[in-house]
Amino acid sequence: EAQVTQNPRYLITVTGKKLTVTCSQNMNHEYMSWYRQDPGLGLRQIYYSMNVEVTDKGDVPEGYKVSRKEKRNFPLILESPSPNQTSLYFCASSPGDVSYNEQFFGPGTRLTVL
Amino acid sequence: AQKVTQAQTEISVVEKEDVTLDCVYETRDTTYYLFWYKQPPSGELVFLIRRNSFDEQNEISGRYSWNFQKSTSSFNFTITASQVVDSAVYFCALSEYSTGGFKTIFGAGTRLFVKA
Repeated sequence: EAQVTQNPRYLITVTGKKLTVTCSQNMNHEYMSWYRQDPGLGLRQIYYSMNVEVTDKGDVPEGYKVSRKEKRNFPLILESPSPNQTSLYFCASSPGDVSYNEQFFGPGTRLTVL
Repeated sequence: AQKVTQAQTEISVVEKEDVTLDCVYETRDTTYYLFWYKQPPSGELVFLIRRNSFDEQNEISGRYSWNFQKSTSSFNFTITASQVVDSAVYFCALSEYSTGGFKTIFGAGTRLFVKA
């Protein structure tokens, strides 16, 4: 089944404790992206990647890191999480060709930073 | 700079009513892509439609229709004869090509309640 998977789905952590949210897609998509969803703000793009080793900042990259060492994986790293990073996080992927098809979203990761 | 405005925060209708969700966007690029996504109460994001900036044709898919007007920078979404299953948050989004790929801006979303 074609899908985007995220792990963990739920996470409660404390301020300053490094964490990684994994994202993997099995559709051989070139394009991957991370978003956070907050009430009243919609989804805001954190980072995106057009291919392996090619990443760029979205609108809210502060406090986050990403890496794209393999085409299928795009982990989101919070080196020192803070309470303002409490949010619902979505990973997405897309074929990324010039016709730019829709993005396929993962199920979301709900993160709480105490 | 990119911007997407969904001025309607919440809309409540009675089943079988028609409802239009507004989306206004801002961009300086001539090439861009517009999307609508649905987020039902279960939380997943479901793609509904994509339009590129060179295709102003309106589209109809069953009870759903979309009106893209470049002159007013709008991409509105109409649900005809709404049903309870249409209750969800609907997001409009704008994508443009940037150095590292496609940068995407979402609107704040419109929460639609359809009452039986």
